[in-house]
Amino acid sequence: EAGVAQSPRYKIIEKRQSVAFWCNPISGHATLYWYQQILGQGPKLLIQFQNNGVVDDSQLPKDRFSAERLKGVDSTLKIQPAKLEDSAVYLCASSHRVGQPQHFGDGTRLSIL
Amino acid sequence: KNQVEQSPQSLIILEGKNCTLQCNYTVSPFSNLRWYKQDTGRGPVSLTIMTFSENTKSNGRYTATLDADTKQSSLHITASQLSDSASYICVVGTNFGNEKLTFGTGTRLTIIP
Repeated sequence: EAGVAQSPRYKIIEKRQSVAFWCNPISGHATLYWYQQILGQGPKLLIQFQNNGVVDDSQLPKDRFSAERLKGVDSTLKIQPAKLEDSAVYLCASSHRVGQPQHFGDGTRLSIL
Repeated sequence: KNQVEQSPQSLIILEGKNCTLQCNYTVSPFSNLRWYKQDTGRGPVSLTIMTFSENTKSNGRYTATLDADTKQSSLHITASQLSDSASYICVVGTNFGNEKLTFGTGTRLTIIP
């Protein structure tokens, strides 16, 4: 079974620039999550999709972050404009359904200069 | 406020030795408790998931315990190997409507030869 794919693996941008991350979940997984993991901390949920609908985006900074999951499969997370405090690893995870183990991708490490 | 606290923050042991990692939580209402292993630069990988009625679950050399009365969990690693060097994250799920996960900050385990 192929795992969760994320790209790019690394991204370096200057503050106020924009950036986008891509995630391809495990085939058949209806639930998709985006997390932000700051160094030394556990992941923090940004947004959760069930198929192509948003279930929870309460911790997503909507003034600068946006996410979509077209056709209920792939997803993109965008930051515009980026701030220094956005430096983190952005993890995508998927699960067959809520309550089942989440399978994580290896993340995108974002550095803001 | 839902919280998950892990101890110790970091741990160094000799290869072949056993160790136990601790997790205390104040998450309510409780649904399940998960342990994840996160290698440096990789996404978390699920080790175990336990519900309220389970008090122990094993995955190879990893054994997790759960005491729902005292809201404590432990992860015991037997006969440690160099490949066990990683961060171990305790995650507690609620099931109030849509499931929400609360992540601990992890224990950084280093195995030395």
